[in-house]
Amino acid sequence: QKEVEQNSGPLSVPEGAIASLNCTYSDRGSQSFFWYRQYSGKSPELIMSIYSNGDKEDGRFTAQLNKASQYVSLLIRDSQPSDSATYLCAVAYNTDKLIFGTGTRLQVFP
Amino acid sequence: DAGVIQSPRHEVTEMGQEVTLRCKPISGHNSLFWYRQTMMRGLELLIYFNNNVPIDDSGMPEDRFSAKMPNASFSTLKIQPSEPRDSAVYFCASSGQGLGYTFGSGTRLTVV
Repeated sequence: QKEVEQNSGPLSVPEGAIASLNCTYSDRGSQSFFWYRQYSGKSPELIMSIYSNGDKEDGRFTAQLNKASQYVSLLIRDSQPSDSATYLCAVAYNTDKLIFGTGTRLQVFP
Repeated sequence: DAGVIQSPRHEVTEMGQEVTLRCKPISGHNSLFWYRQTMMRGLELLIYFNNNVPIDDSGMPEDRFSAKMPNASFSTLKIQPSEPRDSAVYFCASSGQGLGYTFGSGTRLTVV
């Protein structure tokens, strides 16, 4: 059973701080990694993808991947109240099939 | 592009009735996925299609659930008969060449 684990939170950070979201996965054969953001009552939307070890930056978002530790993280710099949402980690194996974690709820307070 | 289109947005039905959910993927995407989301279990993959062919239906809960993709622009997920424990948000998503999914707006199903 391939698993993706996330802390459900909530993770509360003050506005302007760095939010750090973490995810571990069970299968070393995993090849592609994604972060989705889901606002309450809305559908998940893709915000980052990462395929190789190291960091990938896109604006205020940085995805970090460590395949040896089977660990992927998302950093959100200068957090804003509009970043308050549930963040879903997803992992793909050798097909298009994505396995999702249950998500971490982030709360950014003014 | 209009994105992934799902209908209906909301469905309330009585236990034992048949429910049909519909999905139109993004044009050119060759993979289509049906997920179910609940508070307790998160996003669960029910079934996915590649080039209109079902590839993996291991997530379909039981025989009451069935899915079809008669062509590249349309898919249905049917529940017959429906039960209260089927109440959830059902998402359809499509992807092309492993670039991550685009989700539809979802169908919120309530079975009373």
